[in-house]
Amino acid sequence: GQNIDQPTEMTATEGAIVQINCTYQTSGFNGLFWYQQHAGEAPTFLSYNVLDGLEEKGRFSSFLSRSKGYSYLLLKELQMKDSASYLCAGMDSNYQLIWGAGTKLIIKP
Amino acid sequence: DVKVTQSSRYLVKRTGEKVFLECVQDMDHENMFWYRQDPGLGLRLIYFSYDVKMKEKGDIPEGYSVSREKKERFSLILESASTNQTSMYLCASSPPKDGYNEKLFFGSGTQLSVL
Repeated sequence: GQNIDQPTEMTATEGAIVQINCTYQTSGFNGLFWYQQHAGEAPTFLSYNVLDGLEEKGRFSSFLSRSKGYSYLLLKELQMKDSASYLCAGMDSNYQLIWGAGTKLIIKP
Repeated sequence: DVKVTQSSRYLVKRTGEKVFLECVQDMDHENMFWYRQDPGLGLRLIYFSYDVKMKEKGDIPEGYSVSREKKERFSLILESASTNQTSMYLCASSPPKDGYNEKLFFGSGTQLSVL
């Protein structure tokens, strides 16, 4: 079956770095998405990876290893506003998204 | 910026009622989606539409129907609401499938409680 696994909750300190991991099993693969969702708000797009390697966008970076079925989202210089849930989603061969349950990130001062 | 607007932020209905959830997007997107989001679970696709008057079942269509009479509007209908349909409902839209990797733009969600 198809599955996305990510940790339920993580805690990090303001100013630090945190890595949120995601492993995926999909029928075929057409890319891996990360979305950010603040409590009570809409998810918003962060990144898309379809090739192996690291993509950097300011304080946020996303990594993909297709051979390992693995991705991570790296957040640097953490700010209190980064407290949110981070959703990982894999796109299968039918271009349908398979979603993880999300990782709730708590930032402490 | 793309705006996806869901008509209600919170909704309380009784078992057996017919419920309409409305979603409007203002960026002329072809693709529209309805998801539900429950604690501890990933987003689950209910229905989607790639064009006006077109609809496709997602992973959990039972108990739901949809309507897309105009490009900008995608409605989710609960024919006879049940308590297990208490959930956060998220509408999303995306541009035409060009490479099939288009990001989704979500509405703020409707928290539906069925009593």
